[in-house]
Amino acid sequence: GESVGLHLPTLSVQEGDNSIINCAYSNSASDYFIWYKQESGKGPQFIIDIRSNMDKRQGQRVTVLLNKTVKHLSLQIAATQPGDSAVYFCAEQDGGYNKLIFGAGTRLAVHP
Amino acid sequence: GAVVSQHPSWVICKSGTSVKIECRSLDFQATTMFWYRQFPKQSLMLMATSNEGSKATYEQGVEKDKFLINHASLTLSTLTVTSAHPEDSSFYICSAPLLATPSTDTQYFGPGTRLTVL
Repeated sequence: GESVGLHLPTLSVQEGDNSIINCAYSNSASDYFIWYKQESGKGPQFIIDIRSNMDKRQGQRVTVLLNKTVKHLSLQIAATQPGDSAVYFCAEQDGGYNKLIFGAGTRLAVHP
Repeated sequence: GAVVSQHPSWVICKSGTSVKIECRSLDFQATTMFWYRQFPKQSLMLMATSNEGSKATYEQGVEKDKFLINHASLTLSTLTVTSAHPEDSSFYICSAPLLATPSTDTQYFGPGTRLTVL
């Protein structure tokens, strides 16, 4: 079936370093991708999104890169802070439907 | 930004009882809402799509008679777990898309409801 997967289940970084979280997707028809942050016991929080007609989008301290050739998505967090510690999910959406398919998630642990 | 609320935030019930969870879009209307289930240390799994004024669409493997969904208004969807059993214990999360412009359809998530069935 269709799925979105992640390469790394956990990522530990030093405070101030840059973090890169990767995601692979399998549905070539997906045209909208989103990164969510989920803190323990809370719902997912929207971070940044990108459409398939773009390959890069920047936000505040975050950048999402999309490589449609290899069906790969990444989230870059600059100057990672302790408050960035959470589980990060990528999600894909087929433009014909509103359903989101979530990846397995990566736990980001930021150490002082 | 768009806000989605859920009530209750947590609930403990006895096996065999039914539990209703509410999902509300507070500052926007949502003709569609989504219900997810998340087990510990796992990802979100879509259970069903709630459609205002019509029947919900369930994902494969989700029992529609066990997880009753009602979307009676443009701001409220409810999920009722009927005859709950311990294996239904999970974190239930709803979401609603904010159709701000034709180019964006960001989904906003509620804070989740922790269900524990004894």
